[in-house]
Amino acid sequence: DAMVIQNPRYQVTQFGKPVTLSCSQTLNHNVMYWYQQKSSQAPKLLFHYYDKDFNNEADTPDNFQSRRPNTSFCFLDIRSPGLGDAAMYLCATSSIRGTGGPRDTGELFFGEGSRLTVL
Amino acid sequence: GNSVTQMEGPVTLSEEAFLTINCTYTATGYPSLFWYVQYPGEGLQLLLKATKADDKGSNKGFEATYRKETTSFHLEKGSVQVSDSAVYFCARMNSGGYQKVTFGTGTKLQVIP
Repeated sequence: DAMVIQNPRYQVTQFGKPVTLSCSQTLNHNVMYWYQQKSSQAPKLLFHYYDKDFNNEADTPDNFQSRRPNTSFCFLDIRSPGLGDAAMYLCATSSIRGTGGPRDTGELFFGEGSRLTVL
Repeated sequence: GNSVTQMEGPVTLSEEAFLTINCTYTATGYPSLFWYVQYPGEGLQLLLKATKADDKGSNKGFEATYRKETTSFHLEKGSVQVSDSAVYFCARMNSGGYQKVTFGTGTKLQVIP
C-alpha cells in the first residue's frame, strides 16, 4: 500500500494560473519535504516542515509556498507558474526525532510525484 | 559545503553484465550514505544505505561499501537485469537531528537484452 500519496499525478496549467499539489502520508512521520526535479537533474529541495516548523531553502522562489494543516497532509502552492516551473514535484517524508532510535535512519520516503506542465 | 559527485550517464549494459556506478562524497562530518533508485515515471525509493565507515549496504543484488579512506560509496551489481533500468542517485546526510540530504545528479542505467 502506498504510504506517501501525491495528487494529482499529472497537472496541466496555463502560464500564471495558480496550482496546488497535495501530499498525504500514512507513516506519521514528523518531517515532510517538497522537491523539484527537472529532467535529468537531481531533486532540488524547495522547503520542508519539521513538525509544524516551516523551513524554506534560501534559493526557493517566492512563487512557491507550502502549507501543512496537520501531520498527514502537506500542500505545494505555485502562485503564478512560469514555463520554467514545469517539472516533477516530489513529496517525501522522514522520521527524525534525534533519539538515534531504529527509525531515525534519515531515510526519505517518496511519493510517486506530480508532473506539472505549464502551457 | 556538502556535496556528492557521481559518474555521468547514461550507462548502457547488456543483461548479466557487471555494473559499477561511482560515487564520491565530501568528508565533512560523519555522513550517512544512500543509494536511491528512480524507475521511469515514479518517485525515488531507497535502494540501500550505510551509516558508518566500512559498512556495506546491500539490497536486490546491489551492494555499496562506505569507504572513508577514499570518500567513496560505489554501487555494484554482479549481473544486471533489464528490470534494473532506472536512474540511480547517490546521496549523503550528516548525522544528528535534522540534516539536509544532498543528492548527486543521478546516473541513468539502461540494460538491454
